[in-house]
Amino acid sequence: DGGITQSPKYLFRKEGQNVTLSCEQNLNHDAMYWYRQDPGQGLRLIYYSQIVNDFQKGDIAEGYSVSREKKESFPLTVTSAQKNPTAFYLCASSTGGDSYNEQFFGPGTRLTVL
Amino acid sequence: AQSVSQHNHHVILSEAASLELGCNYSYGGTVNLFWYVQYPGQHLQLLLKYFSGDPLVKGIKGFEAEFIKSKFSFNLRKPSVQWSDTAEYFCAVNAPGNAGNMLTFGGGTRLMVKP
Repeated sequence: DGGITQSPKYLFRKEGQNVTLSCEQNLNHDAMYWYRQDPGQGLRLIYYSQIVNDFQKGDIAEGYSVSREKKESFPLTVTSAQKNPTAFYLCASSTGGDSYNEQFFGPGTRLTVL
Repeated sequence: AQSVSQHNHHVILSEAASLELGCNYSYGGTVNLFWYVQYPGQHLQLLLKYFSGDPLVKGIKGFEAEFIKSKFSFNLRKPSVQWSDTAEYFCAVNAPGNAGNMLTFGGGTRLMVKP
């Protein structure tokens, strides 16, 4: 089955702790994205990567970090510097390139900070 | 920077009622427009898209959307909703040439269809 997997589905974290969310795709897509979804605010872009070993900040990158060491993997770390980390996090991928290509989304991870 | 507005945050309809969800964007140049749907417990999935050509776009499950350039709008419509259309709907915009082919999303509209 081709697709995007995110783990875990639910994640609880104590204040002051870093936590890493996993995103894996077997679609052979070059581009990968991380979004944060909050009620009434839609999806906001945190980071994106168009190619391995390269990534760019999105609109709300503060308090987050990413890496792209492998084409199929784009983990997101929510650091203790993120002021309001409780949210639903969505990972997406696309074939990339200059023209727009459809983004496919994973099932999401719901992070709750206790 | 582009932005997308969805003015209806919550919509409640009875089955067989007609649906229209508003979407307005702010960007002066050429845009690609999308509607995504998120059914309860499921992945976000593409409902329909507009790149160019006929401004009336038909998508899956009987949905359609009309691009009106002069109004910067891309409203989603369905003549007769079903209970299974209960979901959250997101309008999104992509400006060709933006680095990373990024999407800008609206705040979403939660639709509840009463049986």
